[in-house]
Amino acid sequence: AQRVTQPEKLLSVFKGAPVELKCNYSYSGSPELFWYVQYSRQRLQLLLRHISRESIKGFTADLNKGETSFHLKKPFAQEEDSAMYYCALTQGGTSYGKLTFGQGTILTVHP
Amino acid sequence: GAVVSQHPSWVICKSGTSVKIECRSLDFQATTMFWYRQFPKQSLMLMATSNEGSKATYEQGVEKDKFLINHASLTLSTLTVTSAHPEDSSFYICSARGPVAGEYEQYFGPGTRLTVT
Repeated sequence: AQRVTQPEKLLSVFKGAPVELKCNYSYSGSPELFWYVQYSRQRLQLLLRHISRESIKGFTADLNKGETSFHLKKPFAQEEDSAMYYCALTQGGTSYGKLTFGQGTILTVHP
Repeated sequence: GAVVSQHPSWVICKSGTSVKIECRSLDFQATTMFWYRQFPKQSLMLMATSNEGSKATYEQGVEKDKFLINHASLTLSTLTVTSAHPEDSSFYICSARGPVAGEYEQYFGPGTRLTVT
C-alpha cells in the first residue's frame, strides 16, 4: 500500500529565509506526487504537481525516485506562505485521482 | 475557476439520526467525486470514490451501509451518514474531478463539519 510521510508537523522560519518542507513516499509503482496548500479558513487547493515541473508562488518540488522524496522548497519565504501544506500521492490507471495524503506540515513565516 | 460547494457547512445531529451532505461542482462536470474524512489535527483519509451513474467504491475499513454515497448527476454527489453516532463526528470533505479548460483537475469543497451529540 502507498504511504506518504511528512516528518515535520510544524515548521517556523523568518521572512526571507529559505524553507524546505519534507515529503517521503512509499509506493511500488510510478506515482504522481502533489503538494496541496490550505490557507487559514480556506479550502484545500493544489499548489503544484511533479509532472508539470513548474514553479508556483516561488515554490518548487523535485521528485527524487532514488530517495522516494518530493520535498517542497522556496528560497525566500514570505509571510503569506504561512499555511498548512499537504504532500499527496495518486496511483495511475483506474485509481488515478484517489489521493493519499501525508499528515501535513504547518508552516509559519514570522516577520 | 472551478468551484466545488458543500452543503451544509456544518451540522449538529442527535445520535441515531441520519445526515445528508451534498457536494456540487458549480461550473464543470465532475465525472468522479471523492469523499474524504478528516479528524482533528489529522490528515485527510479517502473514504470512497463515486463515478456518475455507478456504485461508489469504498476504501478498506469504510462501512458502505453506514456511509451511503449517491452520484446521481455529473454535478452532484451526496454522502449520507446513517444512524450517526458520536464517533462519526468529523470533518467531511469532497473533491470533484472533471475537465476544466481541457485539463482534468481535482477541486476540493470547503468541507462539512458534522457533530453528533
